[in-house]
Amino acid sequence: EPEVTQTPSHQVTQMGQEVILRCVPISNHLYFYWYRQILGQKVEFLVSFYNNEISEKSEIFDDQFSVERPDGSNFTLKIRSTKLEDSAMYFCASRVDSANYGYTFGSGTRLTVV
Amino acid sequence: QQQVKQSPQSLIVQKGGISIINCAYENTAFDYFPWYQQFPGKGPALLIAIRPDVSEKKEGRFTISFNKSAKQFSLHIMDSQPGDSATYFCAARGAGSYQLTFGKGTKLSVIP
Repeated sequence: EPEVTQTPSHQVTQMGQEVILRCVPISNHLYFYWYRQILGQKVEFLVSFYNNEISEKSEIFDDQFSVERPDGSNFTLKIRSTKLEDSAMYFCASRVDSANYGYTFGSGTRLTVV
Repeated sequence: QQQVKQSPQSLIVQKGGISIINCAYENTAFDYFPWYQQFPGKGPALLIAIRPDVSEKKEGRFTISFNKSAKQFSLHIMDSQPGDSATYFCAARGAGSYQLTFGKGTKLSVIP
């Protein structure tokens, strides 16, 4: 079964450093998402991306965050200057088209900011 | 208005029993209600979903019941098995929106 692949599985970074989380969505999917889950809490929406632009973003997704689909296969989330409260599991997800609402989530990247 | 309230927070069920998890919402613009299953260290996996034009959807041992007037929906797991032990999240999507709003999750433990 097709999968959404995320790398790395775990990243530790120092506060103030930039991190890039990488995702390879399912190849024929058109909609891409980032969600995050702080330990023990609910999954929260960050951003959606369609047709090479952001289609929707949450209040969490401030100027420190950016997304990119640099080469038609990878989908990245960049956090410019990490804070302690950015520590969370970050999930990438993709969806095939507008008629199909089912997301496929990746296994996540655990980001630890120290 | 964007919240989805999920209960209980945790649930222990004996093998073979019925697990019931409930969710409630306020936003009448929600038009898609999925349930996700998450095992430790994994991403959420879509289990079953319903649109508000039907009151019930069944897939194998999993059933969603949907009450539009009460703005509530629930997941029933029949003949619960130890392999069903996981965290379950309800979610909702607003019409015209790209994002899912998740409940806080229910940790289900099925004991032999």
